[in-house]
Amino acid sequence: EIVMTQSPATLSVSPGERATLSCRASQSVSSNLAWYQQKPGQAPRLLIYGASTRATGIPARFSGGGSGTEFTLTISSLQSEDFAVYYCQQYNNWPRTFGQGTNLEIK
Amino acid sequence: EVQLVESGGGLVQPGRSLRLSCAASAFNFEDSPMHWVRQPPGKGLEWVSVITWNSGFIAYAESVKGRFTISRDNAKNSLYLQMNSLRDEDMALYYCARSSNGGVFDIWGQGTMVTVSS
Repeated sequence: EIVMTQSPATLSVSPGERATLSCRASQSVSSNLAWYQQKPGQAPRLLIYGASTRATGIPARFSGGGSGTEFTLTISSLQSEDFAVYYCQQYNNWPRTFGQGTNLEIK
Repeated sequence: EVQLVESGGGLVQPGRSLRLSCAASAFNFEDSPMHWVRQPPGKGLEWVSVITWNSGFIAYAESVKGRFTISRDNAKNSLYLQMNSLRDEDMALYYCARSSNGGVFDIWGQGTMVTVSS
């Protein structure tokens, strides 16, 4: 099983600033990496797939990068609605696995 | 509106069974791989099971293998999860989700809560 490790566990950032979240895979997942956003009481929402392709309707301030085992999600200028928990997920191997999440909170 | 609606959750004693359902609408369910993903209270996401459009490929997480069974009825646009021999650690919010683009979960339901307690 591929273990996905996200860092940091909690990230405190002020609105308008840039946030960078990291995700590491225990072995290569090529570019088969997705990012999801989850707000309290809601289902996860797909943000990024293929490591860097934004899903339909996702604002351009969200960008993804990386390949192999190291990935990043960058939010260029944080809006109030961006404060949430973010998960990475690999879909290169079975079982599909998620990172433990990064809680992006308002500073 | 594209939608997945789960049902069937509830309170169940350890060792008992429960069957979850997921009703799909407004997308091509019959062509879509479908999954169950769960989230224990206050914790992260765990993939549980997958079934391809024609039930030709089915897979489970090790934690549920031999106890859970995924199935679908394309004529009814419905996905199911039969959960037997439930354990405390199965307590979670269970989401059904559609995958596309090789495995990303692009459509999610709102989840149904399974509580395992004596």
